[in-house]
Amino acid sequence: SYGLTQPPSVSVSPGQTARITCSGDALPNQYSYWYQQKPGQAPILVIYKDTERPSRIPERFSGSSARTTVTLTISEVQAEDEADYYCQSADSSGTSVVFGGGTKLTVL
Amino acid sequence: QLQLQESGPGLVKPSETLSLTCVVSGGSMSTSSYYWAWIRQPPGKGLEWLGNIYYSGTTYYNPSLKSRLTISVDTSRNQFSLKLNSVTAADTAVYYCARLVRAARGHTQDFDYWGQGTLVIVSS
Repeated sequence: SYGLTQPPSVSVSPGQTARITCSGDALPNQYSYWYQQKPGQAPILVIYKDTERPSRIPERFSGSSARTTVTLTISEVQAEDEADYYCQSADSSGTSVVFGGGTKLTVL
Repeated sequence: QLQLQESGPGLVKPSETLSLTCVVSGGSMSTSSYYWAWIRQPPGKGLEWLGNIYYSGTTYYNPSLKSRLTISVDTSRNQFSLKLNSVTAADTAVYYCARLVRAARGHTQDFDYWGQGTLVIVSS
């Protein structure tokens, strides 16, 4: 079955830039979405439609897309950004949801 | 402000049926702009989409669970439900209900509202 691939972990120091990738064959034709999840909490949306940011999300969060890979970039990482990040999209039909395996961002 | 709240037993025996309900408040479920979805997360693991339902009753299921899963909707009570039968320990997870944005041609977009989640343990 169709799946999205993320690195299990990414580590950065405060103030640096973190980049989390997500790969999938259907991504050129389906939007991607990114969620942040902290322990014991429900996920919250940080990027939608590949590159759009909800108004409540800090500007240091951005998204980009290139062929079969989408990337979540967090600039000037802060300690509060330490969390699990999940990409989400749809299969080629557009009606079945798929999540990436998640990436644990550690702020050193 | 839309709110979703899951409810149901926190403990289910193996081989039995897991049943959960999600009550939606602060907005009507009877809208063409959204689906209503279930997602789960086993302890220490990632998110898994289970399925979603349109207010008309049309359902979409994760193929890996389709044979065991039923999602239904009751728009008069503004709630939707999940039934997962023949459960095993592998079904132990936090179960979330969420609103899923529906685009043109019925395509799915993002989950914009989530419930707080409810932990269901499968154990004898």
